[in-house]
Amino acid sequence: DVKVTQSSRYLVKRTGEKVFLECVQDMDHENMFWYRQDPGLGLRLIYFSYDVKMKEKGDIPEGYSVSREKKERFSLILESASTNQTSMYLCASSLAGGYYTDTQYFGPGTRLTVL
Amino acid sequence: TQLLEQSPQFLSIQEGENLTVYCNSSSVFSSLQWYRQEPGEGPVLLVTVVTGGEVKKLKRLTFQFGDARKDSSLHITAAQPGDTGLYLCAGSESYGNKLVFGAGTILRVKS
Repeated sequence: DVKVTQSSRYLVKRTGEKVFLECVQDMDHENMFWYRQDPGLGLRLIYFSYDVKMKEKGDIPEGYSVSREKKERFSLILESASTNQTSMYLCASSLAGGYYTDTQYFGPGTRLTVL
Repeated sequence: TQLLEQSPQFLSIQEGENLTVYCNSSSVFSSLQWYRQEPGEGPVLLVTVVTGGEVKKLKRLTFQFGDARKDSSLHITAAQPGDTGLYLCAGSESYGNKLVFGAGTILRVKS
């Protein structure tokens, strides 16, 4: 059974703190993604990675960075958390795709609150 | 970035009613997916449509991809309380694996 796990379900941090969100997949997928989900805005892509040590910016990368040192693990880093980064963060993974998109498997999400 | 507009944003219906959710864009997508997300969980893929005019059925759910591949619909027949959730459409760009998501439709089915 495919599985994507995220390190925390709920997280509360203070403005200016450095925040690490971890994601692990056990499906040997090449692609991994970080999204944030806000009411009325759907899912917005922050960063994605198509291979170890490879990354590409998504639609809203400002204020975030990522790290992928191992194939199964993709980390999202908030260098200096701000209140406007309060959101639900979703990690996903997929096989390397061709012409059309493979299924993305999502983790349960981390609800981050920045005070 | 291609945009996907979903309507309605919120739908509250009685058990047994039928409903349709729409996903529209001015852009052409190579494929379109529908996901359902329940509270506290990540989205789960329901279906992928890739051919213009394609219709797929999943029990009481019928998915259609527009002929021009710019729009899609999800029709639920005889809705059940278990259908309650957030329904998201997502289109893939012409290359790679990036998805563009709609804002979602919150469906509540009352018993």
